[in-house]
Formats: sequence, structure tokens, C-alpha cells
Amino acid sequence: GNSVTQMEGPVTLSEEAFLTINCTYTATGYPSLFWYVQYPGEGLQLLLKATKADDKGSNKGFEATYRKETTSFHLEKGSVQVSDSAVYFCALSDPPGGSSNTGKLIFGQGTTLQVKP
Amino acid sequence: GAVVSQHPSWVICKSGTSVKIECRSLDFQATTMFWYRQFPKQSLMLMATSNEGSKATYEQGVEKDKFLINHASLTLSTLTVTSAHPEDSSFYICSARDPFRTGKAYEQYFGPGTRLTVT
Repeated sequence: GNSVTQMEGPVTLSEEAFLTINCTYTATGYPSLFWYVQYPGEGLQLLLKATKADDKGSNKGFEATYRKETTSFHLEKGSVQVSDSAVYFCALSDPPGGSSNTGKLIFGQGTTLQVKP
Repeated sequence: GAVVSQHPSWVICKSGTSVKIECRSLDFQATTMFWYRQFPKQSLMLMATSNEGSKATYEQGVEKDKFLINHASLTLSTLTVTSAHPEDSSFYICSARDPFRTGKAYEQYFGPGTRLTVT
């Protein structure tokens, strides 16, 4: 079945450091890929998404590229801030119009990012 | 836009009692809502998919008689944990889809979650 694997955390960085959080997936067909962020005490928020191979999603300085050849969707940011401290979830879903089109999300285990000033 | 609320944000109940959690889409109509369960330091596990006006679809291994889901209107879905036990203690999160949002019909908008503790 479909699955998502993220690098284990926590990831601890100093402010302005470069961030990479690895995410790989296993899926049949052509899923859509997402990164969600969960700030302390809050619900999940969509950070960025990509719906087809080679698409690059970007938002708030974060980027991730849909790599079908390596089945990866790694999250990157060039210079992290203390306010980026949160839990980041990689997820995939069936594409709209697919044969099993339920729109269900399958999440990775989450990676905690701690940014120190 | 696309705000989802949950009530209560936290609840403590005694073993054997039932507790109801509400999920509301505040500024859109949600034909589909999802219920997730999140254990500490773990990922979200989908429990069920709730469609307005029809029975919920439960994921494998989720007891439908224990976790009752009702989606009676386009803005409200409820999850009732019946005869709760300490092992039901968890963080329950709902999400909703806005099928009329151009280009985002399949995106999910998440509520802030409800922390359930069963003593």
C-alpha cells in the first residue's frame, strides 16, 4: 500500500542555518504530495504541495520538488528562523480523478524542528 | 477562509462514559470530513471518512460501534467515543474539504484537535 517515510527528529538548528527534511514515498500511480506544519498547540496547516512530477511547491521560504525518479519530496529552507520551530509532516494523497479517488491523506511520522537563536 | 474548529479542545472523562467531539467548518460547506487520531510523537492515523448525509467509511481496524460518527449537516460532524477506556486517550483531529473551492477541491483543512484523557 501507499506509505510515507520521513527522517527521524528532532532536528535542532541554529537560526539562519540551512534546513533539509527528507521524505520518501511509496505509491501506485501518481499521487499528490504535501508538506504540513503543526505549530505548538495548533492544528495542521498546509505548507506547500505538488501535484505532478518535477513540480516545485514553495511557501514562506520553504521549497520541495516532486521527484518521481527517486520517489522523494524533500523539504528545504535556506535560512531558518526561531518561528519555524514546529512539527513537519510529509503526506500523499490519491490524485483527483484516480481510480481510488478518495482524497485520503497518508502521513509520515512527522519531524520536529527546533531552531535556537 | 477555510477555518475548521473543534470542540472541546480538551476533555477528561471517566472510564465507561461516552464523550462527543464536534468538528465544524466555519466559513465553508464541507461535504466530506475526516477524523484522525494522533498518538504522542507519532503520525496522524485516519480513522474514518465522513460524508454528509451518509454513513461514515471506517478504516480497517477502527471499531465503528465504538467511534460513532455523524455528519448531519454540511458544517458539522461529530465523533462520539462510546464506553471510553484509558487506551482511547489520544489527540483527535478532524479535517474538512471544500468541494467548491476552485483548484482546491481536494485539499483538507484541519481543526486544532481535541485532547481526550480517560481516567
